[in-house]
Amino acid sequence: AQSVTQLDSHVSVSEGTPVLLRCNYSSSYSPSLFWYVQHPNKGLQLLLKYTSAATLVKGINGFEAEFKKSETSFHLMKPSAHMSDAAEYFCVVSPSSGYNKLIFGAGTRLAVHP
Amino acid sequence: DTAVSQTPKYLVTQMGNDKSIKCEQNLGHDTMYWYKQDSKKFLKIMFSYNNKELIINETVPNRFSPKSPDKAHLNLHINSLELGDSAVYFCASSRNYNEQFFGPGTRLTVL
Repeated sequence: AQSVTQLDSHVSVSEGTPVLLRCNYSSSYSPSLFWYVQHPNKGLQLLLKYTSAATLVKGINGFEAEFKKSETSFHLMKPSAHMSDAAEYFCVVSPSSGYNKLIFGAGTRLAVHP
Repeated sequence: DTAVSQTPKYLVTQMGNDKSIKCEQNLGHDTMYWYKQDSKKFLKIMFSYNNKELIINETVPNRFSPKSPDKAHLNLHINSLELGDSAVYFCASSRNYNEQFFGPGTRLTVL
């Protein structure tokens, strides 16, 4: 069975400092992994995805994530936070077999302070 | 040039009523989905249709019935609404089984 654990429900950083949102996954197959962002009262936007190519994945808005199979982790990072990054972030796993059934983590709320 | 659209954006109704939420995508995708996001922001898939055929049906009450008149539309009809149905419902679409594109959501409030 597949599952996703986001290790922090809330993360607070100062503007201009690095961001690290942690995610661990469990999957019987080689999974596809995603990070989605949800700004307040908005829909979900894909930040980046991993599909068994390069282990360091670059996404939009300066975000990147590193796939570490040995640690079953897919942490999201950004070198310098911006006020507009404040949002809810979801780590998502999809098994490589089956019908693209996305399994969402519980979400991490990122707050960015001036 | 909206990719995935949902109507209405907000829906407030009384318990026991029947309501529908509509979803349309203009991306040419062949797979569409409905998700429910609860008050704690947890997202869970409800249904998925591929080429108008139901392929994922999670443990959702029979009061929820999806309908796909064509590949570009997937509507969600809910009978006998209950307080626990209050949530944000997201529609999504994908080409085959690739990344999913989400609509803006419909916030349903049952009084």
